[in-house]
Amino acid sequence: GAVVSQHPSWVICKSGTSVKIECRSLDFQATTMFWYRQFPKQSLMLMATSNEGSKATYEQGVEKDKFLINHASLTLSTLTVTSAHPEDSSFYICSARDSRTVGYEQYFGPGTRLTVT
Amino acid sequence: AQSVTQLGSHVSVSEGALVLLRCNYSSSVPPYLFWYVQYPNQGLQLLLKYTSAATLVKGINGFEAEFKKSETSFHLTKPSAHMSDAAEYFCAITGNQFYFGTGTSLTVIP
Repeated sequence: GAVVSQHPSWVICKSGTSVKIECRSLDFQATTMFWYRQFPKQSLMLMATSNEGSKATYEQGVEKDKFLINHASLTLSTLTVTSAHPEDSSFYICSARDSRTVGYEQYFGPGTRLTVT
Repeated sequence: AQSVTQLGSHVSVSEGALVLLRCNYSSSVPPYLFWYVQYPNQGLQLLLKYTSAATLVKGINGFEAEFKKSETSFHLTKPSAHMSDAAEYFCAITGNQFYFGTGTSLTVIP
């Protein structure tokens, strides 16, 4: 089946620094990838939709200058959290869509736990 | 607009008992519906999906769900709960993007 990987799986950084999270589709091409944020005991909240070769579309309330998304190839999207603060600590999950699949299914990565100290 | 509503944020069942997790949907077009399971500090694992084929969908780990248009429901069931089923379960509907329910935490009592 389709596999999506994320790297790193967990990261600790100091306040004010930037962190990059990678999302890769391993065995299919993904023209569209999605980035979600999940707070403890809560559901996933869509942050942005990333389309290969174009600018990401951010959901309302998500700071695009803080959460930089780049989708440079059909198998890689990156999320950079710039000038991270403790409130950015969260579980970030990416997903990738294989548009050839019926039902526009998304394949989810294992998530990245970000802790900002 | 599409949405799903999960009834019951917490469900507890005894080991061996029936598991029933409820999901109702709202959609102006024929929906595609999904159930995912999430274990602590892990990503989402697809349990099953409805894509307008058979209304009774069988998934992994003994789970199944039935699409009922008249009730706008897509409830998840499993005849006999196992301790390993304890996790968070999310119902989702998709159009241009996924819309997730708020999740149901399943506890299995030994």
